[in-house]
Amino acid sequence: RKEVEQDPGPFNVPEGATVAFNCTYSNSASQSFFWYRQDCRKEPKLLMSVYSSGNEDGRFTAQLNRASQYISLLIRDSKLSDSATYLCVVNGGQGAQKLVFGQGTRLTINP
Amino acid sequence: GAGVSQSPSNKVTEKGKDVELRCDPISGHTALYWYRQSLGQGLEFLIYFQGNSAPDKSGLPSDRFSAERTGGSVSTLTIQRTQQEDSAVYLCASSLVPPAETQYFGPGTRLLVL
Repeated sequence: RKEVEQDPGPFNVPEGATVAFNCTYSNSASQSFFWYRQDCRKEPKLLMSVYSSGNEDGRFTAQLNRASQYISLLIRDSKLSDSATYLCVVNGGQGAQKLVFGQGTRLTINP
Repeated sequence: GAGVSQSPSNKVTEKGKDVELRCDPISGHTALYWYRQSLGQGLEFLIYFQGNSAPDKSGLPSDRFSAERTGGSVSTLTIQRTQQEDSAVYLCASSLVPPAETQYFGPGTRLLVL
């Protein structure tokens, strides 16, 4: 079983739609959670951190469920520019300094 | 300000040759990470540096891979006797201090082994 698992997609949704991704992680000791975004043939960039209480940044909402060990990302009023691969990222256990990346979920927003 | 830079941006080599990939982290960032990303795959952790030491090199796939960091800054990833399966994008990232709260990635080196 992979340490971080995501549905690879692709998700194809119309502009303006709401789309949600989930991600599960296997290491119950993980303490840090993130969503990164990666555009085609570009490097990953931090989209947002994920906090236990849930957090929102504009059209993006991230939530963490420690009991079920899953993380979600919700995108409201999607834009064409949201088309990218979204990477679920978890640190490799308490004290570990490496980030473990999911395979990514590919999203295409259609006009 | 300058971000993470990597060189070369593209490298084509023949099977069996050695290659060196370079990473210049953001100035002042003490932590440096190397990852590999094969086509259509997620990021694979290779090695982590804190200063000049490598507390975690568990992701290096074989003894053909090595990395060093000097002066707490520039890092070099060396692949000896390259194989076709080494073809991938090699990404470097740096962060101010661990834990790896916000890692800033370089543009990567695209390696093709023929």
